[in-house]
Amino acid sequence: EAGVAQSPRYKIIEKRQSVAFWCNPISGHATLYWYQQILGQGPKLLIQFQNNGVVDDSQLPKDRFSAERLKGVDSTLKIQPAKLEDSAVYLCASSRKREGKSYNEQFFGPGTRLTVL
Amino acid sequence: AQSVTQLGSHVSVSEGALVLLRCNYSSSVPPYLFWYVQYPNQGLQLLLKYTSAATLVKGINGFEAEFKKSETSFHLTKPSAHMSDAAEYFCAVSDPNAGGTSYGKLTFGQGTILTVHP
Repeated sequence: EAGVAQSPRYKIIEKRQSVAFWCNPISGHATLYWYQQILGQGPKLLIQFQNNGVVDDSQLPKDRFSAERLKGVDSTLKIQPAKLEDSAVYLCASSRKREGKSYNEQFFGPGTRLTVL
Repeated sequence: AQSVTQLGSHVSVSEGALVLLRCNYSSSVPPYLFWYVQYPNQGLQLLLKYTSAATLVKGINGFEAEFKKSETSFHLTKPSAHMSDAAEYFCAVSDPNAGGTSYGKLTFGQGTILTVHP
């Protein structure tokens, strides 16, 4: 079974520029997450999708960040314009759709390391 | 709100020595608890999880953790460290009773970097 794919793996941009990250979840996984991991901190959830609908974007800075998940499969996360404090690793994760009260493991991609100069 | 605290941002052990990484949680209900490992330039991999069954949980690569409600702890241990265990480890918590948009949401600690010396 292929894992979660992300691209690019690394990105360096100037502040005020725009950037986009792409994620392809594990086949059949209905739930997709984007996390921000700042150096020295644990991952923080930015947005969660169930199929192609947003179920939690309470931590997403909506003035500059946007995300979409077309057709309930691939997802893109965009930052426009970028700030210095956006330098971080952006992790994508996916899990199966919830059934009853069982816990569904989140599988993580390798991440995209963003450096904003 | 739930939270986790990992005591010690860096832990250093000798190869063959005991590994002990500490995690304390704060939750109003018995939580689900997890340990993840992150190798350099890689994503997070689940080591083990506690989901209200046995309190002593065994995971991959010889790691185990014990859920202690009285101490609100979920410390990660391994009897004998190997060089390949060098990585960053994250403890995470989830509310099993959360409904709607909060279900499955993970809250992570700040991480502990494990260094293994020959």
